[in-house]
Amino acid sequence: GAGVSQSPSNKVTEKGKDVELRCDPISGHTALYWYRQSLGQGLEFLIYFQGNSAPDKSGLPSDRFSAERTGGSVSTLTIQRTQQEDSAVYLCASNLQGRGYTFGSGTRLTVV
Amino acid sequence: RKEVEQDPGPFNVPEGATVAFNCTYSNSASQSFFWYRQDCRKEPKLLMSVYSSGNEDGRFTAQLNRASQYISLLIRDSKLSDSATYLCVAPAYSGAGSYQLTFGKGTKLSVIP
Repeated sequence: GAGVSQSPSNKVTEKGKDVELRCDPISGHTALYWYRQSLGQGLEFLIYFQGNSAPDKSGLPSDRFSAERTGGSVSTLTIQRTQQEDSAVYLCASNLQGRGYTFGSGTRLTVV
Repeated sequence: RKEVEQDPGPFNVPEGATVAFNCTYSNSASQSFFWYRQDCRKEPKLLMSVYSSGNEDGRFTAQLNRASQYISLLIRDSKLSDSATYLCVAPAYSGAGSYQLTFGKGTKLSVIP
């Protein structure tokens, strides 16, 4: 596609439920990053996929968070047993090595 | 020392003013740098790339000082529409074709009439 696509754009969920967030990167981009951004805060790195290499999971805040990338394209970020502190905007970015990074418009997650 | 540091601001400047932001980075192996602009409740959007000593695009100039490990963004003739948060990022190669991508927390700019 022309840009990075994320879905859903908004998600309201009850505390304790699981959620899945989807990122469809720009076709051909080998790198895919997930970040989250709480209101008024900076970007917090979560996880990074590069081609077929093992993902860099060093930013995942707890074992309730996981992500996968199927076929080197679409990625899904899963949050299990959501907590109120998980409320944030989850942003995905993709990149072709050596070029700038393009962000999707994000998923705004609200845990009530 | 944090990997990427920025003055959070806010910078409040009148229309037409020139304003400059600095961003310092800690990983001397970083080769390319980027400035992003983020509007309220929107995703970051690429503003400028810096691969060598600097880059200029219209009213915007980005400069790189490798010796002191900082990049700067200069905005001339500020417009109201320049009001946003400006983020810098210094990708650091971590092997096997992978890049650590750490963003600064951003500098908030408000251009006032």
